[in-house]
Amino acid sequence: KQEVTQIPAALSVPEGENLVLNCSFTDSAIYNLQWFRQDPGKGLTSLLLIQSSQREQTSGRLNASLDKSSGRSTLYIAASQPGDSATYLCAVQSGGSNYKLTFGKGTLLTVNP
Amino acid sequence: GAVVSQHPSWVICKSGTSVKIECRSLDFQATTMFWYRQFPKQSLMLMATSNEGSKATYEQGVEKDKFLINHASLTLSTLTVTSAHPEDSSFYICSEASGETQYFGPGTRLLVL
Repeated sequence: KQEVTQIPAALSVPEGENLVLNCSFTDSAIYNLQWFRQDPGKGLTSLLLIQSSQREQTSGRLNASLDKSSGRSTLYIAASQPGDSATYLCAVQSGGSNYKLTFGKGTLLTVNP
Repeated sequence: GAVVSQHPSWVICKSGTSVKIECRSLDFQATTMFWYRQFPKQSLMLMATSNEGSKATYEQGVEKDKFLINHASLTLSTLTVTSAHPEDSSFYICSEASGETQYFGPGTRLLVL
């Protein structure tokens, strides 16, 4: 059974700082890995999707890496802004499970002005 | 990306009543939709996969007679929580799959008194 763990559970940083969020998964037989953002009481917004054959994806100030063999992914946020404050969720789609996503509990990020 | 709406966004009900949550795909014909549940500070957990025109597929531990899913059209899936109890209080989110990406609705917060 796939399990996804995110560390840290919460992170508070001053504005402008670069930061890294971590995600690990127990079964390396994944189809892809996604990072989502969730604002309080809201749905999810997809940030980045990394295929199992890829090493990283970038979108603006966000960079996500994937080391499938070790079961790890990181989300790097450069020059953080107060608007980045949200919960960041990591989810893996396991091979052969037709879109089924397994989520971590998330990292609650607070960027202080 | 695809746009998914949910209604209602908030619902409070008495124990023993039934609550219906709607999930609509506004710009995409979704053959498959997913229903997730998220308890406070927990991961999103997949409850069931909703297939248009056929019976939903439920995850292990999810009671199909308690959580009734209907996907009668390509743009609408409904989740009915029957005889709701306080332990059913949670955040319910639906999503639709478009290629490799899932697009999530804004969620419905259910509080059962």
